Amino acid sequence: AQSVTQPDIHITVSEGASLELRCNYSYGATPYLFWYVQSPGQGLQLLLKYFSGDTLVQGIKGFEAEFKRSQSSFNLRKPSVHWSDAAEYFCAVGPTGTASKLTFGTGTRLQVTL
Amino acid sequence: GAVVSQHPSRVICKSGTSVKIECRSLDFQATTMFWYRQFPKQSLMLMATSNEGSKATYEQGVEKDKFLINHASLTLSTLTVTSAHPEDSSFYICSTFHPGRADTEAFFGQGTRLTVV
Repeated sequence: AQSVTQPDIHITVSEGASLELRCNYSYGATPYLFWYVQSPGQGLQLLLKYFSGDTLVQGIKGFEAEFKRSQSSFNLRKPSVHWSDAAEYFCAVGPTGTASKLTFGTGTRLQVTL
Repeated sequence: GAVVSQHPSRVICKSGTSVKIECRSLDFQATTMFWYRQFPKQSLMLMATSNEGSKATYEQGVEKDKFLINHASLTLSTLTVTSAHPEDSSFYICSTFHPGRADTEAFFGQGTRLTVV
């Protein structure tokens, strides 16, 4: 069965500092990998996704993520965090060939201090 | 703009009553809808998959008689929480994908915060 682990429940960074959110997955084949962001009371917004090809993927809002097969990881990064980035971030994995039936990690809550 | 519209965004109901949550696909015909539930400080868990014109498929541990799913049209799926209890209080969210493009992106509704008192 597929699973996703986000080791960090809560992270606090200063505005302007760099950010890395960790995500490890377990899946028998090559998975589809996603990062979603959820602002308070809101639904999910897709930040970026990896299906195949270049292992470094660029997303919206200046986010990027790198797929490392050897480490079963798909960490999310941003060089300079803005106060508006404060939210809950979810890593998700989907079966190869589909972005639909997703398994989510437990999420990482990002707090940004000014 | 929004691809999937979910309504209501918040609802408070009394124990024992039923609550209906609607999920509409605005830009395309959604043959499949997914319903997730998120408990406080936990991740989203898939509850069920609904397919237009057929019975929904429920994940293990989800009571199908309690969480009634109807997908009567290609643009609307509903989740009805029947005889709600405080332990049903949660954040419910639906998602779908563009027909024929299941390999791209899942679009999520805004979610419904259900509080049962």
